Amino acid sequence: RKEVEQDPGPFNVPEGATVAFNCTYSNSASQSFFWYRQDCRKEPKLLMSVYSSGNEDGRFTAQLNRASQYISLLIRDSKLSDSATYLCVVNMHGSSNTGKLIFGQGTTLQVKP
Amino acid sequence: SQTIHQWPATLVQPVGSPLSLECTVEGTSNPNLYWYRQAAGRGLQLLFYSVGIGQISSEVPQNLSASRPQDRQFILSSKKLLLSDSGFYLCAWRGGEEKLFFGSGTQLSVL
Repeated sequence: RKEVEQDPGPFNVPEGATVAFNCTYSNSASQSFFWYRQDCRKEPKLLMSVYSSGNEDGRFTAQLNRASQYISLLIRDSKLSDSATYLCVVNMHGSSNTGKLIFGQGTTLQVKP
Repeated sequence: SQTIHQWPATLVQPVGSPLSLECTVEGTSNPNLYWYRQAAGRGLQLLFYSVGIGQISSEVPQNLSASRPQDRQFILSSKKLLLSDSGFYLCAWRGGEEKLFFGSGTQLSVL
């Protein structure tokens, strides 16, 4: 089993749609969770952290389910500019000293006009 | 503010040639530094990380090595490149709350 798993997609949605991505992780001791966005041939950039209570940033909502060991990202009112690959990231060892952030392979979103 | 520089942006090298990719960070001291590789259509694979000068941890056995000769400098090297070394190489430093900030990446093609 992969340490961090994501459905690679692609997810093809029309503008204005709501889309959700899930990510599962294998290490129950993981403490930190993030979503990154990566445009084609570019470096990943932090989209948002994921907190236990869930958190929202504009059209984006992230949630964490520790019991089931999954993270989700919800995008409302999709824009063409949301087209990208979304990477789920987990600190596998729960220790900031080791800093081993593990990336999922990413879920590709394509928003169509 | 902190910035991270990585070069070159694109590199085409023949099989068996050496490699040296450099990454530098500005605006912070004693950062944790990382090298990742992303093969075509695949996720980011952690190659090396460093918590200080001369301290290198390798995550996977491979044809590459890393060095950290100065606090804010991280170098990825190879003595002889293989075809399988092709990929998108990313340097990163870790900021607060364990967030990673990436350089712009080097697209390496080994032919």
